[in-house]
Amino acid sequence: GQNIDQPTEMTATEGAIVQINCTYQTSGFNGLFWYQQHAGEAPTFLSYNVLDGLEEKGRFSSFLSRSKGYSYLLLKELQMKDSASYLCAVRDDRNAGNMLTFGGGTRLMVKP
Amino acid sequence: DGGITQSPKYLFRKEGQNVTLSCEQNLNHDAMYWYRQDPGQGLRLIYYSQIVNDFQKGDIAEGYSVSREKKESFPLTVTSAQKNPTAFYLCASSPGQGNDEQYFGPGTRLTVT
Repeated sequence: GQNIDQPTEMTATEGAIVQINCTYQTSGFNGLFWYQQHAGEAPTFLSYNVLDGLEEKGRFSSFLSRSKGYSYLLLKELQMKDSASYLCAVRDDRNAGNMLTFGGGTRLMVKP
Repeated sequence: DGGITQSPKYLFRKEGQNVTLSCEQNLNHDAMYWYRQDPGQGLRLIYYSQIVNDFQKGDIAEGYSVSREKKESFPLTVTSAQKNPTAFYLCASSPGQGNDEQYFGPGTRLTVT
C-alpha cells in the first residue's frame, strides 16, 4: 500500500516564503505531483518531480528526494490568492503507472 | 475549448435513491477517473478506466458503479448501498500514456438527506 503524509494546516504572511512538506512510502515510485485546490473547486496542476532535485516554476518550486521519500513545495512572495489547499500525490507503477494516491492536503492560510 | 465537464454542480437526493453523476471530456484522453473528497480531506479513488469498455475498482468502490461505453464519457452512479454518499465528487482524465498529469473537472457536490 501507500502512505502519504503532509501537515493539515499552515499559516503564513503575505510576501513571505512557505514550505509545505510531503513524505511518502510506496513501492514502485514513479513520480510525485503537487496540485493546488481552492475551496469547492477542482485541483489544478502545479508541478511534477520524478528525479531528485528542485524544479522551479515562477514563484513555486518543488523538491524531491527519492531516497528519503520526501518532497516539498516552496511558495515565494506569497499572495492572498495563494490561500488554498495543496495536495501531494504519488504515482506508483500499478496499472501501467496511471494511478495517483493523494495525501490529505495542506490548507494554507495567507494573512495580510 | 477542450476540457472536462461535470454536471450538475450541486445535486440533492433523498436517501434510498440512486443518482448518476455525469462526466464528459473532449480532450481525447484514454484514461478517466472518479474521486471522492470529504471536507478537509484529500481525494480517494472510486473507479478508473484506462480504455473504452474497461474499468477497474479503486480504493472505495463499494456502493458505486460506472460505465465506459464511449471514450468521452464516464458516468458514476451512486447507489443506495453507499452508506455515506454526501461528498464532493471529482472526475479526472489523462492521456493514459503513463507519465502524465490528470486534469480535473469542476466537481459535483452531492447532498443526500
